[in-house]
Amino acid sequence: AQKVTQAQTEISVVEKEDVTLDCVYETRDTTYYLFWYKQPPSGELVFLIRRNSFDEQNEISGRYSWNFQKSTSSFNFTITASQVVDSAVYFCALSEASQGAQKLVFGQGTRLTINP
Amino acid sequence: EADIYQTPRYLVIGTGKKITLECSQTMGHDKMYWYQQDPGMELHLIHYSYGVNSTEKGDLSSESTVSRIRTEHFPLTLESARPSHTSQYLCASSELQPGTVVTGELFFGEGSRLTVL
Repeated sequence: AQKVTQAQTEISVVEKEDVTLDCVYETRDTTYYLFWYKQPPSGELVFLIRRNSFDEQNEISGRYSWNFQKSTSSFNFTITASQVVDSAVYFCALSEASQGAQKLVFGQGTRLTINP
Repeated sequence: EADIYQTPRYLVIGTGKKITLECSQTMGHDKMYWYQQDPGMELHLIHYSYGVNSTEKGDLSSESTVSRIRTEHFPLTLESARPSHTSQYLCASSELQPGTVVTGELFFGEGSRLTVL
């Protein structure tokens, strides 16, 4: 069965600090997809990144970077030089190709607070 | 910016009332989903649809029902609301990756926060 674990329930840092959000997943599929979503106070989930299981290259987008390691089943998310606007709940999610990647299973979420 | 809309954003009702949460998307996506979000933040899939006249139960059992008569519309109904139904309900849609049978990212609405007294 697929499962996503975000062990950090809440993180609080001071602005400009770097912060890493951890994500560990479980799946029996060899083909799967990993996602990160951001949920600001307004409520909607905003897509950040999608990565398939065959692409282990790390990705950087501005202040955001993602470290995918199949050996440890982890897909961690780092925000560099954090800003107050980064405050939100962040979700890691997994979908399996055996199900047509139709459904996402979400982790418990990490509430990130960036203090000025 | 995603074109998926949910109404109402907030609803407070008494026990036993029938309610319908509306969800509409203008992107022409075939696939639509309803997630229930606990106060503790975790999201659980309760319903999804592959297209018109298709509805499936999700991973979390729910007393709600859904219908998909039109591509753009995926309403969720509770026939008799109870306090245990108090939650945030998030609607989402997605489409297939070009040339594949794999769905891409999900686009989410802003959610409907339901409180049953």
